[in-house]
Amino acid sequence: DIQMTQSPSSLSAYVGDRVTITCRASQSVSNYLNWYQHEPGKAPKLLIYGASSLQSGVPLRFSGSGSGTDFTLTISGLQPEDFATYYCLQNYDSFWTFGQGTKVEFK
Amino acid sequence: QIQLVQSGGEVKKPGASVKVSCKTSGYTFTSYGISWIRQAPGQGLEWVGWISAYNGEKKSAKKLQDRVSMTTDTSTSTAYMELRSLRSDDTAIYYCARDVRVYDSSPNYWGQGTLVTVSS
Repeated sequence: DIQMTQSPSSLSAYVGDRVTITCRASQSVSNYLNWYQHEPGKAPKLLIYGASSLQSGVPLRFSGSGSGTDFTLTISGLQPEDFATYYCLQNYDSFWTFGQGTKVEFK
Repeated sequence: QIQLVQSGGEVKKPGASVKVSCKTSGYTFTSYGISWIRQAPGQGLEWVGWISAYNGEKKSAKKLQDRVSMTTDTSTSTAYMELRSLRSDDTAIYYCARDVRVYDSSPNYWGQGTLVTVSS
């Protein structure tokens, strides 16, 4: 199976900060990489698909980049409602895998 | 609007089976696939599987392949996920989610989740 290593596992930041989360695949997943935001008690929300395409309705402060094995989710100007856990998901081959998650907390 | 409504919570004993339904509306059911994803208490998201409502093509996680079945009923626009030989570590919230768009199986529109508790 393709392993997805996400880092960091948690971070603390101030409102307005630029936050970067990375996801590394154990082998190439081309651009079949998605990013999700998950708040407690809610269903996950798709932010980025195809590594860099912003899902409709998602604020422009969210952006994704990368291809192959290394990917990045950036939040430019963290907002209070961005407190959540973020996951990457590769759907490149027949066995999809999530990263371990990154919990974003406010300082 | 697009909606996915899942069946209610279940409590099962170890070794039993559970079948979770995901009734969809607001779109052409056979044009998209449905993913199943779960989250155990205190754990991260785990992919369970995906089924095409167009042609029945399926993919499932290796660790669950022998115990999971996914089906669709096009007459009622409903997807089902059955998990057999339940164990305590199958206790989780199970979500269904529709593909983001045609030819892109990224899960986007989600159900509300179904809590499956496995306990003796």
